[in-house]
Formats: sequence, structure tokens, C-alpha cells
Amino acid sequence: NAGVTQTPKFRILKIGQSMTLQCTQDMNHNYMYWYRQDPGMGLKLIYYSVGAGITDKGEVPNGYNVSRSTTEDFPLRLELAAPSQTSVYFCASSYFTQPPGNTIYFGEGSWLTVV
Amino acid sequence: DAKTTQPPSMDCAEGRAANLPCNHSTISGNEYVYWYRQIHSQGPQYIIHGLKNNETNEMASLIITEDRKSSTLILPHATLRDTAVYYCIVIGGGSQGNLIFGKGTKLSVKP
Repeated sequence: NAGVTQTPKFRILKIGQSMTLQCTQDMNHNYMYWYRQDPGMGLKLIYYSVGAGITDKGEVPNGYNVSRSTTEDFPLRLELAAPSQTSVYFCASSYFTQPPGNTIYFGEGSWLTVV
Repeated sequence: DAKTTQPPSMDCAEGRAANLPCNHSTISGNEYVYWYRQIHSQGPQYIIHGLKNNETNEMASLIITEDRKSSTLILPHATLRDTAVYYCIVIGGGSQGNLIFGKGTKLSVKP
């Protein structure tokens, strides 16, 4: 059982470039999330999705876009990369959002540096 | 969701029990207490959750006080691999999955 898989694990971008972080889960979870974590800080929600075709903004959505064409996949696109987007990105999924069934499973993270 | 307060750091000797406290004095009746941990350079990992009864699983035990204003996560036999930041989070029925992790407790397990 692979769980939540993210690619790439590491990437260096130049200012103004664009890229897509891939995320896939094999647990048939309805809900998927993208978080970012800056050094020494907690996780902040970027976007989330409650199912295929439905996405919504989280706390820090500016500079990012998402899509959810299938239950399994939830890619995060960075447009016009800026140094402020240097961070670790975590994709996550859960079966529900309401407790007690809302245990969230995280991927291993994608380290992004914008120079 | 109610806020939580945790000590910034704790040490524990390898093989001993690690007891990590969490205060959540404003918790409401339908809010659960969840614990996650984040080992360095890895994604957060779910440990355990509870509403009002004590809970135990293969990783840890969760003790919730009768008034539900505080809880303690217990790792019964800490190993070096348990060195991580431990997050106590209170989640209610209105959650959209936006886990507010705070700064957690940095647990250092020492040989």
C-alpha cells in the first residue's frame, strides 16, 4: 500500500518559471489537501478538494492552482515562481473531514527552492 | 477549533516512557483530540485520537482528563526513532481538514 505519493522530492526553480507538483493516493480517499511548511513553522493549507472536480482555497492559495480530475490525483501548479514559494510542500488525503474518521495521511514532501 | 498549548521541548531516556502533555481548556463537547508527529524531513504521521475515553493503539496511549481540558500522549517505551515534533490538535465537526499544527513539542529521545 503506497499511501500518498508525491513527485518530485526535490526541485530548484528559477524566478518566473512554472512547475507542477504531482500527488496521487491509492486509498480511495475523497478528500485531498496541499500544505506548505516553511522552516520552523507549522503547516498551512494551500488548497483542498472534497472530490473529483471540486476544489477550494485554503489559507494561502495565492500563486498556486490545483485540479482534481480523478479521485486519485491532485496536482499543484506553481505559476511564475517567486522566492517566497521556497518551502516544503506536503500532499495529504483523508476519507472524511469530520472526526472521528478524518485521519489525514501525508506524503513524504517535496522540497522546492526558488532562486 | 479549540487552541492547544504544549511545552516546546522535552527529553526522554531511551526505553523509558515519554509523557507529552497538552492543554486544551476551551475544548467543546464535539471536539476530538488528535496527535500527530513529524520526524525530521518527513511528512506528519497520525498517532492516535480520542473524544473523552482513554485510547490505546500499537503506537501510543492517550489519556484525557475527565473535564477534557488536558490530555497526555504516552509512548510506553521510547526509542531513538521516536525523536520528533509532536502535535496535539483539537478538531471539531466543522473541520474542513485544515489542521492547525502550531509549534508542537520537540521530543528528544537520548541513549
